[in-house]
Amino acid sequence: KQEVTQIPAALSVPEGENLVLNCSFTDSAIYNLQWFRQDPGKGLTSLLLIQSSQREQTSGRLNASLDKSSGRSTLYIAASQPGDSATYLCAVRPPGANSKLTFGKGITLSVRP
Amino acid sequence: GAVVSQHPSRVICKSGTSVKIECRSLDFQATTMFWYRQFPKQSLMLMATSNEGSKATYEQGVEKDKFLINHASLTLSTLTVTSAHPEDSSFYICSAREPGGQPQHFGDGTRLSIL
Repeated sequence: KQEVTQIPAALSVPEGENLVLNCSFTDSAIYNLQWFRQDPGKGLTSLLLIQSSQREQTSGRLNASLDKSSGRSTLYIAASQPGDSATYLCAVRPPGANSKLTFGKGITLSVRP
Repeated sequence: GAVVSQHPSRVICKSGTSVKIECRSLDFQATTMFWYRQFPKQSLMLMATSNEGSKATYEQGVEKDKFLINHASLTLSTLTVTSAHPEDSSFYICSAREPGGQPQHFGDGTRLSIL
């Protein structure tokens, strides 16, 4: 059974810092991995999706990497801003047309002005 | 980008009421839709997966007679919480996905409060 772990559960950093959020998964047989952002009381916003054949994806100040063989992904946030404060979740999807995402519990990020 | 619209965003109602939540994919055809429940400070718990035109597949422990799911078209799925009770109070989130390896997109969630 796939397990996704995100440690630490919470992180507080000063504005401007570059930071890395980690995600690990136990079963490397994935189809893709997706990083989401969730603001309090809201749904999930998809940030980046990495297919199993890819190593990384970039969008603006965000860069996500994938090392499938070691079961790890990282989300790099450059020059963090208070507006980046949110919970970041990673989720992996196994192969299969109706396959389901397995989520980590998320990392709650607070960026201090 | 792809958008999933979920309504209503908040519902407050009396115990015993049935509540319907709608989930629409606005600019893509969602062959598969998912319904999640999220408890405070917890991750998402998948309740059921639905494919257009077929019966939903429920996760273990989820009462299908309690949580009725209809996926009548490629852009609309509904979740009806029947005879809701206070323990059904939660944050419900829908999600939709296109065929292939496309990202899964989520609605803004519905906060359900049963008095």
